[in-house]
This record gives sequence, structure tokens and C-alpha cells, in this order.
Amino acid sequence: DAGVTQSPTHLIKTRGQQVTLRCSPKSGHDTVSWYQQALGQGPQFIFQYYEEEERQRGNFPDRFSGHQFPNYSSELNVNALLLGDSALYLCASTNFRDSPIYGYTFGSGTRLTVV
Amino acid sequence: EDQVTQSPEALRLQEGESSSLNCSYTVSGLRGLFWYRQDPGKGPEFLFTLYSAGEEKEKERLKATLTKKESFLHITAPKPEDSATYLCAVLNYGGSQGNLIFGKGTKLSVKP
Repeated sequence: DAGVTQSPTHLIKTRGQQVTLRCSPKSGHDTVSWYQQALGQGPQFIFQYYEEEERQRGNFPDRFSGHQFPNYSSELNVNALLLGDSALYLCASTNFRDSPIYGYTFGSGTRLTVV
Repeated sequence: EDQVTQSPEALRLQEGESSSLNCSYTVSGLRGLFWYRQDPGKGPEFLFTLYSAGEEKEKERLKATLTKKESFLHITAPKPEDSATYLCAVLNYGGSQGNLIFGKGTKLSVKP
């Protein structure tokens, strides 16, 4: 059973560019959340998608946007990249009703480096 | 403001030397407290969920406990393969901070 799949695994972008990261949730999961993890820090919540809508959002600027598709997969888009956006971007999936019980399943992340 | 604080930041143990990691939290409405293990360059791996004070969960050499303000992850007779960063997170009832709120983690190193 495939877990959460993220692509690409690594990415190098130039300041000011735009980037799209992709996530396929674990089979049976319908909710996708995105987290940003800077080096030496815990993951920080960006936003959550359920039923193709953004349901909750963390303290991130509008440069961060997302989308969820009918097959539950999701994209994270970041515009006007800043050096400070360099981080590991994690996708986590769950079944909306079960999250307090089973937690979230995380992918291995996309390492984004902005130069 | 909802907050999770983990201590110590780093812990070095000899193989077989038992110890505990601490996670203290302040959250308006706790739906669950989670422990994850994270290896370098990987995503967090789920270990335990705890819901109410007094609850305990065990898995191999790990045991997690919960009080009203903190959780402990006890590691009994650790092995080198237990070396990783251990993350604590709380799931709140929503609001501007979103769902899972993480601490910064404790980096555990177990030497043979």
C-alpha cells in the first residue's frame, strides 16, 4: 500500500520564480495538509484541503496557494520565491473523520532551495 | 496562543541507558497529542496518539504518557537504531493556527 507520495524530491529555484509541488495522499485518505519545515525546526502548518476546498490556513502569506483535485491529490504553489522559503515541504494526508485517532501520514517531503 | 515546547533540544545516550523526552503544551482545546519520529531528510513517522490525562501507550522500547499539561516519551534500553528526531504535536479544535501544532523536536543520539 503506497503511502503519501511527493514530487519532486529536490528542487532548486531562483529568487522571484514560482514553484509547484505535488502530493498524492495515502489510499483511503481524503484530506491533505501542507507543512513547511525549516532546518532544525518543527513543521509549520500552511493549509489544509478537503473536498477540493481550503478548509484551514496557517500564518502564511498569499504567495502560498494550493489546490486539491477530484482524486484527492494536491498541489502547493509558491509565487515570488524568497530565500527564506528554502525548506522541506511536507504533505500529510488523513481521513477527515479519523484524524484525531490515527493522526496524519506524512510524505518524505520536497527539499526546496531558493538561491 | 497554542504552543508546544519540547526538551531537551538534543540528548545523547549510551546504548541501554534509559531516559525521557518532555513535551509541554498550551492549547485551547486538545483533540489529541501525537508523537512522531523523523529521520534525516524524511517525513515524520507516526508513533502514538494520546487523548486524555493518565493515558499511556507503548511500542517496543517506547512508552508515551500524558498529563493535563505535558507528555513524556520514555525510552527504555535504547539502541543505536532509535537515533532520530522525536516530534510532539497537538491537534486543536481549529482556529488560525491550523490543525497539527508541532514542537521543535528532540534530537536523540544513541551511541553503541
